[in-house]
Amino acid sequence: DIVMTQSPLSLSVTPGEPAAISCSSSQSLLHSNGNNFLDWYFQKPGQSPHLLIYLTSFRASGVPDRFSGSGSGTDFTLKISRVEAEDVGVYYCMQTLQTPPIFGQGTKLEIK
Amino acid sequence: QVQLQESGPRLVTPSGTLSLTCAVSGDSIIGGSWWSWVRQPPGKGLQWIGEIYHTGKTNYYASFKDRLTISVDTSRNQFSLRLTSVTAADTAVYYCVRDPRGAVVPGFDSWGQGILVTVSS
Repeated sequence: DIVMTQSPLSLSVTPGEPAAISCSSSQSLLHSNGNNFLDWYFQKPGQSPHLLIYLTSFRASGVPDRFSGSGSGTDFTLKISRVEAEDVGVYYCMQTLQTPPIFGQGTKLEIK
Repeated sequence: QVQLQESGPRLVTPSGTLSLTCAVSGDSIIGGSWWSWVRQPPGKGLQWIGEIYHTGKTNYYASFKDRLTISVDTSRNQFSLRLTSVTAADTAVYYCVRDPRGAVVPGFDSWGQGILVTVSS
């Protein structure tokens, strides 16, 4: 199985400041079609996860443009340009290049 | 708008069988998506369990393979999970999820609200 590693596992951010979460995979997630099969999910406390970013850099419907994803191969980043209070929760990366899809451990974002 | 709703017993005895059903509305289960189960032990991360296509083709996470069965009922637009020989380690919130693989927007784009299943005597 592909191993997914996120860092940091927690971060505390002042509202209005940027935040970045890294995700690395034990194997390249680059498909022959040129897409990197890496998604990001967000889970608010007490809620189900929901899709934030798919194929590394595409925002899902309704996701604010302060969220962006980048990366290729084995190293990926989720950035929040200006953190807001509603961004509190846990962020997960997930690879879908191979079965089984594997999630990272999760990164808990808190507000300072 | 697609909605997924998990249902089933919330308490299962050790060595028993965990059975859940996911009712899908707002989308046809034969519409081309794959349908997954994901679980989350209390206070922990997400773990994919397995998936099914409407034809009945399945993929399971290897660590569950001997205990897991996922099935689909196209007439009722629902799919199910059956996990045998459960232990306390199977205590988790279980989510059913839609994966419109190959669609313009791939990814686990719709999740049920989740159901907490506790394994305890």
